Formats: sequence, structure tokens, C-alpha cells
Amino acid sequence: QKEVEQDPGPLSVPEGAIVSLNCTYSNSAFQYFMWYRQYSRKGPELLMYTYSSGNKEDGRFTAQVDKSSKYISLFIRDSQPSDSATYLCAIEGGGNKLTFGTGTQLKVEL
Amino acid sequence: GAVVSQHPSRVICKSGTSVKIECRSLDFQATTMFWYRQFPKQSLMLMATSNEGSKATYEQGVEKDKFLINHASLTLSTLTVTSAHPEDSSFYICSASLSGGQETQYFGPGTRLLVL
Repeated sequence: QKEVEQDPGPLSVPEGAIVSLNCTYSNSAFQYFMWYRQYSRKGPELLMYTYSSGNKEDGRFTAQVDKSSKYISLFIRDSQPSDSATYLCAIEGGGNKLTFGTGTQLKVEL
Repeated sequence: GAVVSQHPSRVICKSGTSVKIECRSLDFQATTMFWYRQFPKQSLMLMATSNEGSKATYEQGVEKDKFLINHASLTLSTLTVTSAHPEDSSFYICSASLSGGQETQYFGPGTRLLVL
């Protein structure tokens, strides 16, 4: 079992839709949870990070963590074509190391 | 946010040669730098962690003699792929951290290596 599981997609939605991206993890010791956006042939860009269960909102993005279920989500409201990218969840697994999910490829269509 | 650059952005080399990739933090001093490798349609895999002035810590399965990491200053880390082979072809990405904490890890744009 991988430490972090993420559906690779691809996920295609119409412009304006609400997007839900999810990851599950296996190690209950994980403390920090991040979402990165990666455009093709570019490095990842940090979108959100959180360290506790609950919701964190930043503009059109909401990160949700459920530690009891070992489940994290990223919601994108009013999705735009410019949101088309690969979204990676990342979890701090101790020793200052990040463990990434495989990434979900998102395409927002006009 | 903080800016991290990588050079070169793309490199093609012959099998058996060595390739050096630079990672620079442009507007902050990086206590820790990380090197990742990403194969097509796969996630980032941490290769090694380097702290300025000390030896890098390599992840299991990563050959330290093949992937030489030098972190000589708080703004520069280099990764040298020695005696490169076609299977080393990948996307290499560095990140830099202000305090070593994951919430402040900033990624470079990546270097695409193709070994012929």
C-alpha cells in the first residue's frame, strides 16, 4: 500500500464547476498536509497547507483534512481554464520529508 | 513568494557523461534544499536532502556516488549526475526551505534531462 494514494485522473469539468480532488494516506503520524499545482513541464507551486483537521479557505480554494479518516480534499470553486494543471497532494511524513501523491490531472473546458 | 531557479532548464547529453544541475534560492537563504526526480505521469520522488555545509542525506535506493550533491552556500545547491545512462532521463526538481519545515518549501522550475 502506498503511503499516499491519489486518483491520477484525468478529470475533465466545464468552466464554472466545483472541482473536488482527494487523497488518502496511511500513516496517522502525518501532521502537515499540502496541495501543490503543477503546470506541464514546470515545478510545483504551493497552493494550500494545513496541519489540523477541518477546513481552510483561500479565495476559490478550500482545503479539507479529516485525520480520523486519513482523508484530505481540495475544492476549487468557479473553476477556470487556467486551473487546468496537475494537482498534487503532499504530506509531511517526519524528518522534514514530503511524500507526494501521484497527482490528479485536471482539465477545465470552456 | 520566494523564488527558486534551476539551471539548465533542459539538457541533452551522451551516455557516460556527467551533468551538473544548479539550484538557487534567489531572494532568501535556504537552510535546506531537496532534490526530487519525476518520471512522466508519476509523482515527485525525493532523492536527497541537503543542508548547507554538510553531507546530503540520500533516500533509500538512491546511489550517492552517482548523484553527487553539493550545498556549498545558503543560496546554491548542485546535483551532478555522474556517468549518466538513458534510464537517468527524467525531470529533476529542487526545492528550498527557509527553516526546514515543509510549509515553507519552494520549488524550482525543474530540469529536464535526456540521456542518449
